Amino acid sequence: GENVEQHPSTLSVQEGDSAVIKCTYSDSASNYFPWYKQELGKGPQLIIDIRSNVGEKKDQRIAVTLNKTAKHFSLHITETQPEDSAVYFCAAMIYGNNRLAFGKGNQVVVIP
Amino acid sequence: EPEVTQTPSHQVTQMGQEVILRCVPISNHLYFYWYRQILGQKVEFLVSFYNNEISEKSEIFDDQFSVERPDGSNFTLKIRSTKLEDSAMYFCASSGDIFTGELFFGEGSRLTVL
Repeated sequence: GENVEQHPSTLSVQEGDSAVIKCTYSDSASNYFPWYKQELGKGPQLIIDIRSNVGEKKDQRIAVTLNKTAKHFSLHITETQPEDSAVYFCAAMIYGNNRLAFGKGNQVVVIP
Repeated sequence: EPEVTQTPSHQVTQMGQEVILRCVPISNHLYFYWYRQILGQKVEFLVSFYNNEISEKSEIFDDQFSVERPDGSNFTLKIRSTKLEDSAMYFCASSGDIFTGELFFGEGSRLTVL
């Protein structure tokens, strides 16, 4: 089955700086790659996703890039703010497959 | 904004006891899921459910687990005889369309087995 690896496990950034989280996946058939943000005591919330037919997607301060050849995708957060502090999960899936394979999560701490 | 709700938020139980975790998916969604996260580990897929039957399950979802949609709104996960290693956060999710991929997660039910 699909195996998603995520690194680094923790990331501390100064407020205003950028944060980048990288994930790799193993199954070349995966074609949907969402990113979830989990705040303390809450469930994962989808923040951005990308499909395999595009290489980059941006939504305000967050962006995701996908390299299908290398089988990795990254989350970029620019101009970080304290409310960006959370655990971020990447995941991969094949459309219609019904199951998301998650990475282990990345604790992002934005230092004011 | 519609959301997935889960109860209880935290349950403590003795090993060997039965546990039922409840979920109310988003009302017009058709696909329902349970995932779990053992402390410090990845979020893992357990089971997906569509049209009143299991559509896929993982190797974790053994005979001790069952799911049910007893009425038009609730979606439940039952663990028949809990083990210590069942201690985890259990997340329910729902989706309107498996081909868009977007899953909406509840806030989770923390199960502690003593």
